[in-house]
Amino acid sequence: GAVVSQHPSRVICKSGTSVKIECRSLDFQATTMFWYRQFPKQSLMLMATSNEGSKATYEQGVEKDKFLINHASLTLSTLTVTSAHPEDSSFYICSATGRLETQYFGPGTRLLVL
Amino acid sequence: AQSVTQLDSHVSVSEGTPVLLRCNYSSSYSPSLFWYVQHPNKGLQLLLKYTSAATLVKGINGFEAEFKKSETSFHLTKPSAHMSDAAEYFCVVSTLKAAGNKLTFGGGTRVLVKP
Repeated sequence: GAVVSQHPSRVICKSGTSVKIECRSLDFQATTMFWYRQFPKQSLMLMATSNEGSKATYEQGVEKDKFLINHASLTLSTLTVTSAHPEDSSFYICSATGRLETQYFGPGTRLLVL
Repeated sequence: AQSVTQLDSHVSVSEGTPVLLRCNYSSSYSPSLFWYVQHPNKGLQLLLKYTSAATLVKGINGFEAEFKKSETSFHLTKPSAHMSDAAEYFCVVSTLKAAGNKLTFGGGTRVLVKP
């Protein structure tokens, strides 16, 4: 149980385009989902917290207009990187939590912006 | 505020020998503590968690960790390392009341297992 999927697993896009990443909880209802960013050989950095049906809460320094987060249902959250630039290239990981405290992580999405 | 310090950025062990990954935390509230493992280009897998029950926590793949409040530590151990244990390990703290279930990650410890 407690499986979280992400799609796509990797994506390459041109600078200036937008990319959408999906995060799904497959076998439980996720009241809260989190989006993290991980640079090579570094730890995870929390970008934002989203609760189903409400606006996401962004961490300090994360641009809301650049990283659009939507949590439309209890099993799906999306992260859209708008007008992507090479510096947005990174490994993006989502996690989901239900009633219990434990966060379950997706397999990650590697974004490369050319 | 909460923070996590993993004392070793890299640990190298021989296959079949014990593994010790050190973690210290600070938290204003009673913490929940987790160890996650990340294999290359993969997401994070939960190894074990402490949530104010037994101080010695057993996890998957033979790992265990002991919560020591007096030392504010939550070190991860395994009696005998396997080649498949080579990965990045993250110690994580969460204080539900204070931070709305936000996780704070340590810097990570990369484990190398030599044959």
